[in-house]
Parts: sequence; structure tokens; C-alpha cells
Amino acid sequence: TQLLEQSPQFLSIQEGENLTVYCNSSSVFSSLQWYRQEPGEGPVLLVTVVTGGEVKKLKRLTFQFGDARKDSSLHITAAQPGDTGLYLCAGAGYALNFGKGTSLLVTP
Amino acid sequence: SQTIHQWPATLVQPVGSPLSLECTVEGTSNPNLYWYRQAAGRGLQLLFYSVGIGQISSEVPQNLSASRPQDRQFILSSKKLLLSDSGFYLCAWKGLGGYTFGSGTRLTVV
Repeated sequence: TQLLEQSPQFLSIQEGENLTVYCNSSSVFSSLQWYRQEPGEGPVLLVTVVTGGEVKKLKRLTFQFGDARKDSSLHITAAQPGDTGLYLCAGAGYALNFGKGTSLLVTP
Repeated sequence: SQTIHQWPATLVQPVGSPLSLECTVEGTSNPNLYWYRQAAGRGLQLLFYSVGIGQISSEVPQNLSASRPQDRQFILSSKKLLLSDSGFYLCAWKGLGGYTFGSGTRLTVV
């Protein structure tokens, strides 16, 4: 099983701040996905990155896939309380291999 | 459109009792289906996956089993629950755009 390390594990910030979440592995992935999960619900797909060095933007969220396809980052600009949730990265294989997640709390 | 249904939403079961969680998918055929378990607020651990009827692959030794009696039905079972089986169980199917998850079952074994 390919290990995905996410950091930080917990992040508490105020509305309007910027933040970056990291996802690292020693293995190469054909693609990597980011999900957001709210309490009591299943994860919801945010983005899939496939190409090394790829950058994708989803409103205030910017996702980057490392050149070597071993790591990825998620940057949120001007965080809002609605961004609160558990952010999970997952590497693609015969099944999704998930990191442990970053729990984000954005307070007004 | 494709949808995934999972039930029940919550379940409290005594130690030693049996378990059956059901997952069904609509709007697609021959989907790859998955069962994951999630500890409180943490990442998802793959339990089982299935690429077709009667085809089950198990990821970790455990007190659980899975079956796929129909193309779009995936069932997670246990004959005798343990306290350690408590957790949030998620069913998922793999589509072209990524994985879609059900809304999960919160299982508490008491």
C-alpha cells in the first residue's frame, strides 16, 4: 500500500486568511484526487490532477501536482467558514489510497 | 444520472450480533464498488473492492466479509461484531470522473 502523508493534521484559522495543505508520498501516482468531507457525510471529489506540475483552480482553491507526481498541495485563498471540513488526498491505484486528512476549521 | 444509496445511516449493535450493510448503485452498469471504513475524523481505510458479481477482494484481515449478489449491489457483513468494528462505513463506486461515495453508515458496537 502506497503511503500518503498529509500535513498539517489540524488547522484552525480565521476568516480571510490563506492556507496551504500538503500531501506527500514516496511513491509515484498516475493521478491524485482531493476530496472534502463534512461530518456525517461521504467525501466529495474536488479535483483530479494527472500531469506532473499541473495546476488547477476551483474558485478560491488552487491544487498543484508535483513534477514527480509524488506530492500535491491545496492552497485556499481568503478562507471562509464554509471551507470548514476534512480535506483528504487520495492516490489512484486499483482503489483509492487515502491520506489521513487535514481537518480545517475556519472561524468568523 | 448515477446515484449511490447506502443504509442504514446509523446503527447501534451489541457485541456478538450480526451485521448487514447494503449499498446499491443506480444509473450505471458493471461498476467497480468499494467498502471503506473511517475512524473518527480521519482517513479512509479500504476494506473490500469488487469488479463484478461474485468477485470480492479483501484488503485487510478482519471480522468482516463482503458480497456482491447483483451487479449494482454490494453488501458488508459480519457474523459476530466486535467493539473494534465501530466506525463510519462508506460505500463508493468508481466513475469516469472519480469516485462517488454514499452518505455512510455510523456503526457503534456496544
